[in-house]
Amino acid sequence: EPEVTQTPSHQVTQMGQEVILRCVPISNHLYFYWYRQILGQKVEFLVSFYNNEISEKSEIFDDQFSVERPDGSNFTLKIRSTKLEDSAMYFCASSAGQFYNSPLHFGNGTRLTVT
Amino acid sequence: AQSVTQLGSHVSVSEGALVLLRCNYSSSVPPYLFWYVQYPNQGLQLLLKYTSAATLVKGINGFEAEFKKSETSFHLTKPSAHMRDAAEYFCAVSDPGTASKLTFGTGTRLQVTL
Repeated sequence: EPEVTQTPSHQVTQMGQEVILRCVPISNHLYFYWYRQILGQKVEFLVSFYNNEISEKSEIFDDQFSVERPDGSNFTLKIRSTKLEDSAMYFCASSAGQFYNSPLHFGNGTRLTVT
Repeated sequence: AQSVTQLGSHVSVSEGALVLLRCNYSSSVPPYLFWYVQYPNQGLQLLLKYTSAATLVKGINGFEAEFKKSETSFHLTKPSAHMRDAAEYFCAVSDPGTASKLTFGTGTRLQVTL
């Protein structure tokens, strides 16, 4: 079964550094998402992306965050200047469509640790 | 705004016992509801979904959930727990206008003992 793959599985970075989290969505999917889960807290929506632009973003997704689909396969999340509170598990997801018959498929996540 | 509340952050059951994980939702419109499971070091996997068809929804691994509008609930059940069911379970809700942006609950960790 096709999978969403995320790299790296664990990233450690220093506060203030830029970090890029990478995802390869399922190949025929058109909608892409980032969610994050701070340890012990809820999984939270960050952003959705369709047709090469952001379709929706949460209040968490401020100017420090950006997403890009640089080629036909990768989908990246960049954090420009990391803060301690950015430490979390970041999940990429993709779906074939936007509606109930197109569920989200999640990757295994990237654990980001900001020191 | 939509939300879900999962009662009980940890549930422990014996192998072979009934599993009941509770989820209550709040939504101003008829919602779409989902249960996801997360095994250790893995991503979220869809167990089942409710999308305004049958109120009793059957999912993978023997799980099912019943949508009860009067109780605003969508509890997850399984008649007989297996050791392999030990995982974290998340209830989620979305706006029927778009099933893509999910609002998750805080999760319930299921422990299965011998």
